[in-house]
Amino acid sequence: AQTVTQSQPEMSVQEAETVTLSCTYDTSESNYYLFWYKQPPSRQMILVIRQEAYKQQNATENRFSVNFQKAAKSFSLKISDSQLGDTAMYFCALGPSGGGADGLTFGKGTHLIIQP
Amino acid sequence: DADVTQTPRNRITKTGKRIMLECSQTKGHDRMYWYRQDPGLGLQLIYYSFDVKDINKGEISDGYSVSRQAQAKFSLSLESAIPNQTALYFCATSEGGIEQFFGPGTRLTVL
Repeated sequence: AQTVTQSQPEMSVQEAETVTLSCTYDTSESNYYLFWYKQPPSRQMILVIRQEAYKQQNATENRFSVNFQKAAKSFSLKISDSQLGDTAMYFCALGPSGGGADGLTFGKGTHLIIQP
Repeated sequence: DADVTQTPRNRITKTGKRIMLECSQTKGHDRMYWYRQDPGLGLQLIYYSFDVKDINKGEISDGYSVSRQAQAKFSLSLESAIPNQTALYFCATSEGGIEQFFGPGTRLTVL
């Protein structure tokens, strides 16, 4: 079975600072995808960034970037110049499930608070 | 209009009642999913469907059933609701099983 672990239940930083959220995972699949989803208080799940395992280059989306370490099975999210609107739950996810199965496996999330 | 819609958005029901949550999509995606989110936990997969005739159980399917009425519609049923099914329920869609697009969620409370 696949697993995703987020070891930081909550983090708090000042506005404009840089913050890194950690994620480790385990899978027996050779081809897979990793995602970071944001869930603000509105509870909508919003895709922040995705990484394809066969690509060595780390994905970036504006202020968001990842550090993908395939051998270590680590997938951290860096948020630069943090903004108040970044306050949310952040979930790391892995997919597909493997063995012909589908769906994403999620971590328990990190509650990120951006302080003014 | 939203690409993935869920009805109802909020529902309070009583133990033993049958309840159906509905999901519709206009994205034209082949795959659809139902997830459950409990406080302090990530999302867990209940059921998924590759297409109308291909429905599969996820990791927490006990107590739930689904119906894929059309490519665009995927319903989740609780035949006899119990309090520990109180949770936030999400529907999602995907084309090819990579990126998933989520609906706004349904908050279900079972008293």
